[in-house]
Amino acid sequence: AQSVAQPEDQVNVAEGNPLTVKCTYSVSGNPYLFWYVQYPNRGLQFLLKYITGDNLVKGSYGFEAEFNKSQTSFHLKKPSALVSDSALYFCAVRDNDYKLSFGAGTTVTVRA
Amino acid sequence: GAVVSQHPSWVICKSGTSVKIECRSLDFQATTMFWYRQFPKQSLMLMATSNEGSKATYEQGVEKDKFLINHASLTLSTLTVTSAHPEDSSFYICSARRVDSSSYNSPLHFGNGTRLTVT
Repeated sequence: AQSVAQPEDQVNVAEGNPLTVKCTYSVSGNPYLFWYVQYPNRGLQFLLKYITGDNLVKGSYGFEAEFNKSQTSFHLKKPSALVSDSALYFCAVRDNDYKLSFGAGTTVTVRA
Repeated sequence: GAVVSQHPSWVICKSGTSVKIECRSLDFQATTMFWYRQFPKQSLMLMATSNEGSKATYEQGVEKDKFLINHASLTLSTLTVTSAHPEDSSFYICSARRVDSSSYNSPLHFGNGTRLTVT
């Protein structure tokens, strides 16, 4: 079975500081990994994905993620966080039937 | 592009009544839609996979007679919560898979969710 884990329930950073949200995965075969963001009472917005190719993936709103096969990680990063980045972030892995399995989510709070 | 519309955005109903939630792909065709449930401050749990023109596939532990899914067209899937009870109160989110030759590695597109409160 495929799964992802987000070890941190919450991440707090000051505006302008780097932001990292951690994710590790467990898959059989090639991983198809995604990051989504959710604002209160809203659906999920796609940020970025890793299917194949470069290990550093660039996505929406200045976010990027680094795929590390040896550490089975896919951490989400942003060099300079904004207050508006405060939200709930989900890492997910997709199987061959297009089903997504989500991590528990990490609440990011960026303080001004 | 790739907009998924979910309606209603919130609904309050009395215990014992049924509620229908619609999920529409507005600018693309979706042979497959997924229905998720999310409890407060928790992750999304896949309930079922909805396939156009065929029966939905339910995840283990999800009552198919309780959560009726119909995928009547390439742009519409509905989830009906039958005989709703307070424990069915939750945030329900649909997502749709785009169907075209270039979409194999495309992300799923999500609706904005429906907040169901059963009193």
